Amino acid sequence: AQRVTQPEKLLSVFKGAPVELKCNYSYSGSPELFWYVQYSRQRLQLLLRHISRESIKGFTADLNKGETSFHLKKPFAQEEDSAMYYCALRTDSWGKLQFGAGTQVVVTP
Amino acid sequence: KAGVTQTPRYLIKTRGQQVTLSCSPISGHRSVSWYQQTPGQGLQFLFEYFSETQRNKGNFPGRFSGRQFSNSRSEMNVSTLELGDSALYLCASSSGAGATTDTQYFGPGTRLTVL
Repeated sequence: AQRVTQPEKLLSVFKGAPVELKCNYSYSGSPELFWYVQYSRQRLQLLLRHISRESIKGFTADLNKGETSFHLKKPFAQEEDSAMYYCALRTDSWGKLQFGAGTQVVVTP
Repeated sequence: KAGVTQTPRYLIKTRGQQVTLSCSPISGHRSVSWYQQTPGQGLQFLFEYFSETQRNKGNFPGRFSGRQFSNSRSEMNVSTLELGDSALYLCASSSGAGATTDTQYFGPGTRLTVL
């Protein structure tokens, strides 16, 4: 069965410190992986997808098929990074996304 | 472009009643997906509609149903409401073309409370 695991419910970091959000998935085929973010009182929005291999708001994520991971990283956390982050897996060409439980990130000054 | 809109934003119902939620996708988008978000189960996929046809379905009982109209607007219906149906229901739209760059855009959600 397909599964997305985000082991940390809460990550508290200081401003300027590195932050890494872990995401592991189980899927035997070729996955598409995404990170979504939800800022306070805002709707869920796409942060980045593995296929784009881009950096958004200083965040990067690399798909490691050997370790079945897609960890999200940022070298220097900012207060505006405080939000809920969800890792999501798509296994077909259509709309179904399977989400992890989410990680709440709190960046303190 | 206007974003995904959902109505109503808040609903209070009692057990046994039924409820209909509406979602208007971004103009030009043909795919609408529905998700249920609860503190205990997180975000769970309900179903997806594309060109008025259900294309994908999650593991929810038959009390949960949906439909899509020719203008791509979608409704979901929950019959015989249970306390456990209290949740935030999110709708997301995308072009539905199946391209790897296809992005789902989420609405603000409808908060359903079942008493």
